[in-house]
Amino acid sequence: KAGVTQTPRYLIKTRGQQVTLSCSPISGHRSVSWYQQTPGQGLQFLFEYFSETQRNKGNFPGRFSGRQFSNSRSEMNVSTLELGDSALYLCASSPERGSTDTQYFGPGTRLTVL
Amino acid sequence: GIQVEQSPPDLILQEGANSTLRCNFSDSVNNLQWFHQNPWGQLINLFYIPSGTKQNGRLSATTVATERYSLLYISSSQTTDSGVYFCAVGYSTLTFGKGTMLLVSP
Repeated sequence: KAGVTQTPRYLIKTRGQQVTLSCSPISGHRSVSWYQQTPGQGLQFLFEYFSETQRNKGNFPGRFSGRQFSNSRSEMNVSTLELGDSALYLCASSPERGSTDTQYFGPGTRLTVL
Repeated sequence: GIQVEQSPPDLILQEGANSTLRCNFSDSVNNLQWFHQNPWGQLINLFYIPSGTKQNGRLSATTVATERYSLLYISSSQTTDSGVYFCAVGYSTLTFGKGTMLLVSP
């Protein structure tokens, strides 16, 4: 099976712009979660999607949003980018929500905001 | 929310040495995982270990859920073991520790 894929892998934007990141889960996986990793805050949970519905959201401003499509692919969007949004954004998939199975992570999208 | 603490924050080893990484968590958990993040940022699953002991080659992990800690053992370390090791609790909403950065020198 192919692993979790994320596109693009690298992205450079300027303050005030918006960005959309994409995540394709492992085939058959229906749960997708997003995480932000920064040197200062570490790995922080952003959102979780299951069956096209957002089930949980972390403590992030409304500029961060996402969605999940019927094929389980997910996108996240950040509007009005700030310098502090520079981070590695990781997507993870698992077969079912609340699964006892482990989460499988993609390679990440490294976003730089100038 | 639940707090996850890892120690030590940094570790430098010579190739061939053994090490123990610790993860403490503030509340009872039903799910604990260990990950290795390579220098390119990829998080690799090592163990799903809510309790008990598991081994995979040179790596093994033990979780004592009643005492709220987990240990990751690395034996005969190799330079490819370098990277950051994270423990995380939860299911589809993981709470991560700050990680242990391991550098194995030849």
